[in-house]
Amino acid sequence: EDKVVQSPLSLVVHEGDTVTLNCSYEVTNFRSLLWYKQEKKAPTFLFMLTSSGIEKKSGRLSSILDKKELFSILNITATQTGDSAIYLCAVGGSSYKLIFGSGTRLLVRP
Amino acid sequence: GAGVSQTPSNKVTEKGKYVELRCDPISGHTALYWYRQSLGQGPEFLIYFQGTGAADDSGLPNDRFFAVRPEGSVSTLKIQRTERGDSAVYLCASSSAQGPLYGYTFGSGTRLTVV
Repeated sequence: EDKVVQSPLSLVVHEGDTVTLNCSYEVTNFRSLLWYKQEKKAPTFLFMLTSSGIEKKSGRLSSILDKKELFSILNITATQTGDSAIYLCAVGGSSYKLIFGSGTRLLVRP
Repeated sequence: GAGVSQTPSNKVTEKGKYVELRCDPISGHTALYWYRQSLGQGPEFLIYFQGTGAADDSGLPNDRFFAVRPEGSVSTLKIQRTERGDSAVYLCASSSAQGPLYGYTFGSGTRLTVV
């Protein structure tokens, strides 16, 4: 059965800290891994990764995929209170469905 | 429209009632997906439309759930005889073609509470 596991489930840090969120997966015919940020209800797209070892970067956020070890990490440097959210990892296989992990709930304290 | 629009934003209903949740996808997007997100969980797939037809409804939990997309644009998710366990955020997404490689934009969701 396809599955995506995220860790940690929750994390509390102080502004300025760096955090690393983990996502491991077992999905048939892997094609893509996506990271989303969810603050209220709508997941907003952060990154899509399809190739191993190529880092995607956007401001203080970056992500990389390891297709051999079947995991991805999302790094956030110099965290701000506005980074507080649930971060969702999702994997697309041979079909159109996304398989989501349970998310990591990040709280950044001032 | 510019984004995926879902209405209502919040819906409170009594157990046993019928509800309809609406999704208006990005203009021109042929693929439309419904997901359900329970508290503390990631979204789970319910149904996928390509055009007007439901290409895959394998995620619908039982026959109380039904969805339509009669003109290939707006979709309605219908839940009959609601139960407290149906309480969740219902998310709709659309993409320009089949699958996440073609973009997968989510709406703001409908929070359904069954009391």
